[in-house]
Amino acid sequence: ELKVEQNPLFLSMQEGKNYTIYCNYSTTSDRLYWYRQDPGKSLESLFVLLSNGAVKQEGRLMASLDTKARLSTLHITAAVHDLSATYFCAVDITQKLVFGQGTRLTINP
Amino acid sequence: GAVVSQHPSWVICKSGTSVKIECRSLDFQATTMFWYRQFPKQSLMLMATSNEGSKATYEQGVEKDKFLINHASLTLSTLTVTSAHPEDSSFYICSARDYPPRGLETQYFGPGTRLLVL
Repeated sequence: ELKVEQNPLFLSMQEGKNYTIYCNYSTTSDRLYWYRQDPGKSLESLFVLLSNGAVKQEGRLMASLDTKARLSTLHITAAVHDLSATYFCAVDITQKLVFGQGTRLTINP
Repeated sequence: GAVVSQHPSWVICKSGTSVKIECRSLDFQATTMFWYRQFPKQSLMLMATSNEGSKATYEQGVEKDKFLINHASLTLSTLTVTSAHPEDSSFYICSARDYPPRGLETQYFGPGTRLLVL
């Protein structure tokens, strides 16, 4: 059974700081997604990572994928309040997405 | 980008009634759609894979007779919660895959339907 585990599950940080969310998964996959969810809303796609060593950046967020280690990271640089949300990674297994537990990120002024 | 819509966005119903939720892909054809449910402050759990023109594939532990899925066209899948009970109250989200001829295969999510069963 595929397991997708995120760490940490809760993260409270100050504006301007850097931090990383980790996503470990238990079986081989060649595609990993990162999503953002605001309270009461659906999912917003952030990144699709397709290959080992893939790195993508959008604004203050950068995602990377290490398929050998079965690890993806979402790095937040100089956090701002607008980035407060829940972040999910999801691993693609035969077109089904298996989601991590989510990381609830709160950024304090 | 591609858009997936859901209707209704929220619904309140009495226990014992049935509720139908529609999921549409607005500018692409989707042979496969997915239905997820999300309880408050939890992750998304895949309920079933909806296949156009054939039976849905349900995940382990999901009752087929409880959650009826119909994928009658390439742009529409419906989820019917039959004889709803308060424990069926949840946030239901559909998604669809787009396979553009010269682009990256991407999965898009609908805005979700919040169901409250009284």
